[in-house]
Amino acid sequence: GAGVSQSPSNKVTEKGKDVELRCDPISGHTALYWYRQSLGQGLEFLIYFQGNSAPDKSGLPSDRFSAERTGGSVSTLTIQRTQQEDSAVYLCASSSGVEAFFGQGTRLTVV
Amino acid sequence: AQSVAQPEDQVNVAEGNPLTVKCTYSVSGNPYLFWYVQYPNRGLQFLLKYITGDNLVKGSYGFEAEFNKSQTSFHLKKPSALVSDSALYFCAVRDGGNFNKFYFGSGTKLNVKP
Repeated sequence: GAGVSQSPSNKVTEKGKDVELRCDPISGHTALYWYRQSLGQGLEFLIYFQGNSAPDKSGLPSDRFSAERTGGSVSTLTIQRTQQEDSAVYLCASSSGVEAFFGQGTRLTVV
Repeated sequence: AQSVAQPEDQVNVAEGNPLTVKCTYSVSGNPYLFWYVQYPNRGLQFLLKYITGDNLVKGSYGFEAEFNKSQTSFHLKKPSALVSDSALYFCAVRDGGNFNKFYFGSGTKLNVKP
């Protein structure tokens, strides 16, 4: 595709449920990032994938959060047992070099 | 440690006037610097970057930014603001010697009034 695609664009879930957020990066981009943006706040780093290297998971806030990237392309961010503080916009970005290009984000609301 | 500071939460400017959005950074290696813009309910859109070379870099929509190594700054500028420039602007840095994650500032809301 022309850009980074994220799905769903909006997700409302009940507290305690698991959710999966999907990111389709730009074709050929070897680097993929997940960030979280809470209402009116800046960007919080979550996880970074680069090629076949072990991902940098240093930003994942708890063991309820996990992410995988299959075949060096599509990535899924999974949040288990969601809590209200998980409500945020989850942004995915991909890069083939220096700058990164972002998707439109998934707005997650935990009720 | 890498970090970015955007000292102004909000910048107000009249249409047609020049604008500046400030950014300072801290990075252990060579800084790769970026500006992104975010419109309401949208993702971040890349505006411009500095890697090396000329300290004044030009980007999309008439924006430019000036790299100042001694002041560790990378301020975003535009000679004549438009109402449509009103948005949230983020400065970001990467360590050029250790390609890894981007570090973002907290964002500056730009309001351009007609």
